[in-house]
Amino acid sequence: DAGVIQSPRHEVTEMGQEVTLRCKPISGHNSLFWYRQTMMRGLELLIYFNNNVPIDDSGMPEDRFSAKMPNASFSTLKIQPSEPRDSAVYFCASSLRGSRGGLDTQYFGPGTRLTVL
Amino acid sequence: GEDVEQSLFLSVREGDSSVINCTYTDSSSTYLYWYKQEPGAGLQLLTYIFSNMDMKQDQRLTVLLNKKDKHLSLRIADTQTGDSAIYFCAETYGNNRLAFGKGNQVVVIP
Repeated sequence: DAGVIQSPRHEVTEMGQEVTLRCKPISGHNSLFWYRQTMMRGLELLIYFNNNVPIDDSGMPEDRFSAKMPNASFSTLKIQPSEPRDSAVYFCASSLRGSRGGLDTQYFGPGTRLTVL
Repeated sequence: GEDVEQSLFLSVREGDSSVINCTYTDSSSTYLYWYKQEPGAGLQLLTYIFSNMDMKQDQRLTVLLNKKDKHLSLRIADTQTGDSAIYFCAETYGNNRLAFGKGNQVVVIP
């Protein structure tokens, strides 16, 4: 299994531009998570999908951020317009909810390092 | 909300033991986890402990759980250069979400 796949690995853009981050979860997993990691705030959960349905988006910073999961094998996180304070590493993770009596192992992708100038 | 606390930095000599500590808030967590993040990579599950256990040993790793104090620790025996990473503890909350601590960076000195 290739694990969780994220693209691009690095993105440099200018303030005001639209940014789209992509994620392919592990085949057969039914939960998908988007996280943001910064030095100041650590690892923050942005949004969580279960069976392609957004369950909790309370971590999404503001309306500039949106996430979709059109099918079980693909998700996007979009920032429009982007701002310098959005610079961070964005991780996608997937898990199989309900497996092993509640063991919620999340498998992380390698992340997308976003720099907004 | 969930608040997982960790200290930030630990320096250890190769071959020594290292201990990383964590406090958590949700006493109903069924499992508690330790994740490892190597430079430029995502987090990877290192080990976990079921909440009704006090200790779990897995090769060089020993996890201790004190439920009364909501304290979790990870001991790495015979620390090696490949153990240099950031270590995160995590607890489960609401519908298989994980709350992570801020991480503890371990630097192994050869």
